[in-house]
Amino acid sequence: EADIYQTPRYLVIGTGKKITLECSQTMGHDKMYWYQQDPGMELHLIHYSYGVNSTEKGDLSSESTVSRIRTEHFPLTLESARPSHTSQYLCASSASTGLDIQYFGAGTRLSVL
Amino acid sequence: SQQGEEDPQALSIQEGENATMNCSYKTSINNLQWYRQNSGRGLVHLILIRSNEREKHSGRLRVTLDTSKKSSSLLITASRAADTASYFCARDTGRRALTFGSGTRLQVQP
Repeated sequence: EADIYQTPRYLVIGTGKKITLECSQTMGHDKMYWYQQDPGMELHLIHYSYGVNSTEKGDLSSESTVSRIRTEHFPLTLESARPSHTSQYLCASSASTGLDIQYFGAGTRLSVL
Repeated sequence: SQQGEEDPQALSIQEGENATMNCSYKTSINNLQWYRQNSGRGLVHLILIRSNEREKHSGRLRVTLDTSKKSSSLLITASRAADTASYFCARDTGRRALTFGSGTRLQVQP
C-alpha cells in the first residue's frame, strides 16, 4: 500500500466555489504529479513537480493551480469551479532516482453542480 | 490516443481462463510499465519491463515487449474474480512523466 493520501475522497460543490484538493506523501519522493481522469478513460497529466518550489503545467490545459512548498505536500486549487471540472483527480509521486515507478493516491472524485 | 493504443478496450472472461491485453506506442521508450486500477481507486504498479528486455514474469503476470513493433502485451494466467479491474500500460520516454494509455477493462466472471 502506497503512502500517498488524497483528501477529500468525494466532493460535491456549486459552481463558482474555490476548492483545494490535498495530496500528501510520506515516501520522501521529489517528483509529484496531478492527473485528471474521466470514468473509464485515460489519464491526462495536468501538473507536475520535480521538487520544492518547482511546478510545471502538464499536457492537458487546466484552470487549476498547484504549489509545492514542502516535499510531502502538493495541493491543487481551483479558484472558481465549473461543471466542466467534474472528474476524478489522481495524485502520484515517484523517486527522482532510478526507475520512474509512480505511486498513486486513491483519488478525489469532484462533482461541480 | 495520439500516444498509442490499448486493446481490447474491454474483455470479459471466466475464472480460470487467461487474459491477454495489448499496448502499442509510437515513440521510443526507456521502459514500459503496467498498472492496475480498481473501480474508483488510484493506480497500482504491477510490473516494469526495460527496453532491452523481451519478457518478464511476476507471479501470474507475464509481460512481453517487442520494440521493433512498438508493442507490449500483458498476460494474466488463471484469472480470478479479484483480477477484475482496468489495466493500463504506461510508457517511460524520459519526458516529464509517464504516458498512460486508455486502458483495458477486464471483467472476470466467477
